[in-house]
Amino acid sequence: SQKIEQNSEALNIQEGKTATLTCNYTNYSPAYLQWYRQDPGRGPVFLLLIRENEKEKRKERLKVTFDTTLKQSLFHITASQPADSATYLCALGLSGGFKTIFGAGTRLFVKA
Amino acid sequence: GAVVSQHPSRVICKSGTSVKIECRSLDFQATTMFWYRQFPKQSLMLMATSNEGSKATYEQGVEKDKFLINHASLTLSTLTVTSAHPEDSSFYICSAASSGANVLTFGAGSRLTVL
Repeated sequence: SQKIEQNSEALNIQEGKTATLTCNYTNYSPAYLQWYRQDPGRGPVFLLLIRENEKEKRKERLKVTFDTTLKQSLFHITASQPADSATYLCALGLSGGFKTIFGAGTRLFVKA
Repeated sequence: GAVVSQHPSRVICKSGTSVKIECRSLDFQATTMFWYRQFPKQSLMLMATSNEGSKATYEQGVEKDKFLINHASLTLSTLTVTSAHPEDSSFYICSAASSGANVLTFGAGSRLTVL
């Protein structure tokens, strides 16, 4: 069956450390993968997109890797801050349209 | 950047009534809009894809007669929950994509509570 799996347990880290979140998928062949941030009671906000032919993408303190062989993406936040505390969603973009399938998200808590 | 406005943000209704939620793209034309439903601590579940000027495409298990979607213009899609029941209580979120873009812009979501 098709699955997108993200750590269901919350990730707690200390301010200044690097947070690493994992997204694994099975039985999908995404054309691209996206990461979104979602705050409680709000809609998701787009962070980064990485295509199937790209290995790594960076944006300021954010870094995403995409391994289509392992069917895995890693999302890193360096020099984390309490304001980074949120739920981070992994989303697969399927070819042939805009259809996007979301993982359940991982809750990140950054302690001051 | 692209902005999507969703209204209302919260709505409480009685069982058996219908509720309409609007999703507007404010500064771009959205050829495609999506409607999601999200339960607490769960993923966004795609309900339907809405294309301007044509019928919406519903995901498996979503009742098209219960969740009416209308995408009458390039900037507006509406979701109407008909004959709402308490089990329809949820967080409904819309997103929009402009032609040629892979990135979705989301609305802020609508919290529906059916008493």
